[in-house]
Amino acid sequence: AAGVIQSPRHLIKEKRETATLKCYPIPRHDTVYWYQQGPGQDPQFLISFYEKMQSDKGSIPDRFSAQQFSDYHSELNMSSLELGDSALYFCASSRRTSWGLETQYFGPGTRLLVL
Amino acid sequence: GQQVMQIPQYQHVQEGEDFTTYCNSSTTLSNIQWYKQRPGGHPVFLIQLVKSGEVKKQKRLTFQFGEAKKNSSLHITATQTTDVGTYFCAGRYSGGGADGLTFGKGTHLIIQP
Repeated sequence: AAGVIQSPRHLIKEKRETATLKCYPIPRHDTVYWYQQGPGQDPQFLISFYEKMQSDKGSIPDRFSAQQFSDYHSELNMSSLELGDSALYFCASSRRTSWGLETQYFGPGTRLLVL
Repeated sequence: GQQVMQIPQYQHVQEGEDFTTYCNSSTTLSNIQWYKQRPGGHPVFLIQLVKSGEVKKQKRLTFQFGEAKKNSSLHITATQTTDVGTYFCAGRYSGGGADGLTFGKGTHLIIQP
């Protein structure tokens, strides 16, 4: 079965640079979520989109922004990168249901290293 | 804020022994999902529990959701080396726009042959 696709898988940036992470959800999934996982930490919810509109917001820094496009893929834009932004960034996708209890399926993640 | 507490943080067992991890939320959950993550990997979905008092089994894994929908547990019978990894519970809370999962800190399962 098709899974969530993320690109790039690895990214090295320097402080104050910008980065763009991409996520392609499972076919027919209409909701995407972004999570950040620091070393040895649990995933922290950043933001989610449903039908191209932001649907929930977590602990996303103001330096980060995201959007969902008409083909449902999503991009996480990160500016003024800091050393502390080094982490694994996961995208997850789900298909919205009327009872709102969707399972989120995670992609393989993008490992970002800020030097 | 809403928090999900998970214990223990680490669990060492001998192969063949049982393993249990527990999660507790300060407020009622809409549902809870369990994930397994191997080192360097991504969270892999195991199960979702929705109903109060629900119990689900997957081979050697048994998942429970408390009557008050505030706690959950995962029990593995007769662990095998392939069970190694970090097990996360992730709760979803009720309310409009409450999409994001709140993860527990995870339990690292280490198995000694």
